[in-house]
Amino acid sequence: DGGITQSPKYLFRKEGQNVTLSCEQNLNHDAMYWYRQDPGQGLRLIYYSQIVNDFQKGDIAEGYSVSREKKESFPLTVTSAQKNPTAFYLCASSIDPSTGMNTEAFFGQGTRLTVV
Amino acid sequence: KQEVTQIPAALSVPEGENLVLNCSFTDSAIYNLQWFRQDPGKGLTSLLLIQSSQREQTSGRLNASLDKSSGRSTLYIAASQPGDSATYLCAGLYNFNKFYFGSGTKLNVKP
Repeated sequence: DGGITQSPKYLFRKEGQNVTLSCEQNLNHDAMYWYRQDPGQGLRLIYYSQIVNDFQKGDIAEGYSVSREKKESFPLTVTSAQKNPTAFYLCASSIDPSTGMNTEAFFGQGTRLTVV
Repeated sequence: KQEVTQIPAALSVPEGENLVLNCSFTDSAIYNLQWFRQDPGKGLTSLLLIQSSQREQTSGRLNASLDKSSGRSTLYIAASQPGDSATYLCAGLYNFNKFYFGSGTKLNVKP
């Protein structure tokens, strides 16, 4: 059963802590993405990766870090430098968009991060 | 920076009504446009994908159109049902690597 798995579903962070959100896909997609969603707003791109061992900053990368050591995995770390981390985080994947235009994005079920 | 706008932010209709959701984008150099559905607290479910060379796509009661020259896409929902209640988002793919999202239209279909 192919898809994208995000874990955990809910995550609580104390002030000054780093936390890591997991994203795994078995769709054999090259490209993976992390988005942040705040209430009443659209999705904003944090980081994206088009190939293993390479990733690019999105529009709101400050306070976040990622790694792409395996094709299937793209974990996101929310560092203590991110001053307002409470949000809904969504991971997505697609075939490498540079290979053509028939690029459909698929999403996981999200992780809700709350600062306590 | 590419901008994607969805109006209205919320829409309430009686069951059975046909409706249109709007999506506009500022940059016509769009490679494709995708419509999603999001239920509360959930991820996004892909509904329809329109490539830049296409003008529309259909799936069941849903029909999406794309007009690059005017910077607009519409999602038409026929014979709406209470189960259609959700937030609908559109996203444009630019530069072969970035999807830009609208803020969504929250639809409520009343029984």
